[in-house]
Amino acid sequence: SYELTQAPSMSVSPGQTASITCSGDKLGDKYASWYQQKPGQSPVLVLYQDDKRPSGIPERFSGSNSGNTATLTISGTQAMDEADYYCQAWDSSSFVVFGGGTKLTVL
Amino acid sequence: QLQLQESGPGLVKPSETLSLTCTVSGGSTRSNSYHWGWIRQPPGKGLEWIGSVHYRGSTYFHPSLKSRVIISVDTSKNQFSLNLNSVTVADTAVYYCARHPPGSVEYFDYWGQGILVTVSS
Repeated sequence: SYELTQAPSMSVSPGQTASITCSGDKLGDKYASWYQQKPGQSPVLVLYQDDKRPSGIPERFSGSNSGNTATLTISGTQAMDEADYYCQAWDSSSFVVFGGGTKLTVL
Repeated sequence: QLQLQESGPGLVKPSETLSLTCTVSGGSTRSNSYHWGWIRQPPGKGLEWIGSVHYRGSTYFHPSLKSRVIISVDTSKNQFSLNLNSVTVADTAVYYCARHPPGSVEYFDYWGQGILVTVSS
């Protein structure tokens, strides 16, 4: 079965850039999506098809995907960006696959 | 604005069947454009996709859950449902319903608020 791997946690200072990575075999050949989940809330789509932002998502959220790694980049990180972030991809045999999530702390 | 709302029992006994319904408003389950899905999240853990369905009958299931899952669409009520049989305590989770974007099953663009289901005797 296809698997996506994320670091369990990371921290960033306010105003700095946070880069959250997601790795999987030949992930660059697939589309990666990213979700933000704050405590007690449902996940919110922040990027799809590697680097596209849904309406209402700030421009500070950007993405890339190449080789075995997809990256969600948050530029000028704000306190409100503190959340869990999940990557997700579609695989022809495993279908919808989520990464384990990365808890982003802004301090 | 599309809204999804999960409903169902919050407590299920081990070995029984977990049954949940997602009511869709602001959109139609009968649309050819959309697949609808279920995702769960055990307390303190990550997201796990369960399965997705199109009203015309195409379905996709998580390989490890496939034998226990039925997902169906009731277009007359604008709902879709999840049945998970032979549950154990490991099935305790917040269950979310969600929508795939038009013409794609690659990600989810709208999510419900989630419902906590506890499996316990």
